[in-house]
Amino acid sequence: AQSVTQLGSHVSVSEGALVLLRCNYSSSVPPYLFWYVQYPNQGLQLLLKYTSAATLVKGINGFEAEFKKSETSFHLTKPSAHMRDAAEYFCAVRAGGGSNYKLTFGKGTLLTVNP
Amino acid sequence: DSGVTQTPKHLITATGQRVTLRCSPRSGDLSVYWYQQSLDQGLQFLIQYYNGEERAKGNILERFSAQQFPDLHSELNLSSLELGDSALYFCASSVTGGEQFFGPGTRLTVL
Repeated sequence: AQSVTQLGSHVSVSEGALVLLRCNYSSSVPPYLFWYVQYPNQGLQLLLKYTSAATLVKGINGFEAEFKKSETSFHLTKPSAHMRDAAEYFCAVRAGGGSNYKLTFGKGTLLTVNP
Repeated sequence: DSGVTQTPKHLITATGQRVTLRCSPRSGDLSVYWYQQSLDQGLQFLIQYYNGEERAKGNILERFSAQQFPDLHSELNLSSLELGDSALYFCASSVTGGEQFFGPGTRLTVL
């Protein structure tokens, strides 16, 4: 079974500041990990994914995440926040391999970017 | 635009009624997934279909059912609706084991 915990339901940063959104996972098998972004009144868009290759994963819009097995973490970062980054961010996990491809999502973190 | 389409965009209905949500996957994707997003439960996996066959079930109520047709579009049927069924329902599609692409969702309001 898999589960995801996102620490902080709301993160507020200033424009130009570092963005750090935290995600810890639990998985009984090697996981695949994902970060999705949801803008208001829209569906989910994939930012990046970890599928057991490089532990540092680069995604779209300047975001990246590092898979740390020892800490069971997959935190999302961006060096410099833009106003357009304001959205809700979801971390998700699924079992790597096999035939069960369902995604288990965290509760989400709402990112606010202040001018 | 993810290439996944969902209709209708909004649906308002009364308790006890039945509704059908429709999803068309991206061209070439054989897998379709349904998720429910609500304020109290967050994003929850409901069910997965692959090429017309049910592959996995999540937290789907017995009042809910789904199917995938030969042209690969999928429908989610919700019956005996309750106030608590009000939520955003997302469809996603993928090639086998690949990245899931999400549609824009159907917002269901049960009055």
